[in-house]
Amino acid sequence: NAGVTQTPKFQVLKTGQSMTLQCAQDMNHNSMYWYRQDPGMGLRLIYYSASEGTTDKGEVPNGYNVSRLNKREFSLRLESAAPSQTSVYFCASTPTSRVESPLHFGNGTRLTVT
Amino acid sequence: QQPVQSPQAVILREGEDAVINCSSSKALYSVHWYRQKHGEAPVFLMILLKGGEQKGHEKISASFNEKKQQSSLYLTASQLSYSGTYFCGTVNTNAGKSTFGDGTTLTVKP
Repeated sequence: NAGVTQTPKFQVLKTGQSMTLQCAQDMNHNSMYWYRQDPGMGLRLIYYSASEGTTDKGEVPNGYNVSRLNKREFSLRLESAAPSQTSVYFCASTPTSRVESPLHFGNGTRLTVT
Repeated sequence: QQPVQSPQAVILREGEDAVINCSSSKALYSVHWYRQKHGEAPVFLMILLKGGEQKGHEKISASFNEKKQQSSLYLTASQLSYSGTYFCGTVNTNAGKSTFGDGTTLTVKP
C-alpha cells in the first residue's frame, strides 16, 4: 500500500521557470492538501481540496496554483519560481475534511530555486 | 494564528521524561500531534478534541486544556526512537484546518 506518493523527490529550478509537483493517494481519501516546510519551521498550508472538484486557499497561496485532477490526484504548480519558494513541499490526504481526520503525508519534494 | 511550542529543543538520556507544550492565542477545537524524523515526512501521533481528554500512544500521552488554550505532550521513559521533531497542529473551529507550530526537537541519547 503506497499511501501518498509525490513526484519528483528533488528539483532544482532557475528563477522564473515553472513546474508542477504531482501527488497521488491510493487510500480513497476525499481531502488533499499541499504544505511547505522551510528549514527549522513548521508546516504552512498552501492550498487544500476538501473534496473532488473543490479547492481553497490556505495560509500562503501566493505564487501557487492547484488542480484536483480526480479523487486520487492533486497537483501544485509554480508558474514563475522565485528563490523564496525554496522549500520542502509535502502533500497530504485525509479521509474526510472533518477536523478529527489525521493527515497522511507523502515523503516530500525538495525544491531549490536559484 | 500559529501556535507557540515550548521548549524549542530538549536533550534527554534514555529513560528520562519530557513534556512539550503547545499554546494558542485563540480558542481551540482540536489539537493534532505529529513526529517528524530528519529528512522524512511527519507521522501522526494523536488527535485531541475539546473536552479536556487525555490520550495515550504507547508511552506517549497528551492532554488538552480548553481554558488555557493549550495542549501538552508527555513522553515517559524515552527511547532512542523518540528522537525527532514534534509538531502540534491546532484547529480553531469545527470547519478549520490545522495551523502548525514551529516544532520541538527532541534528542534522546544513550
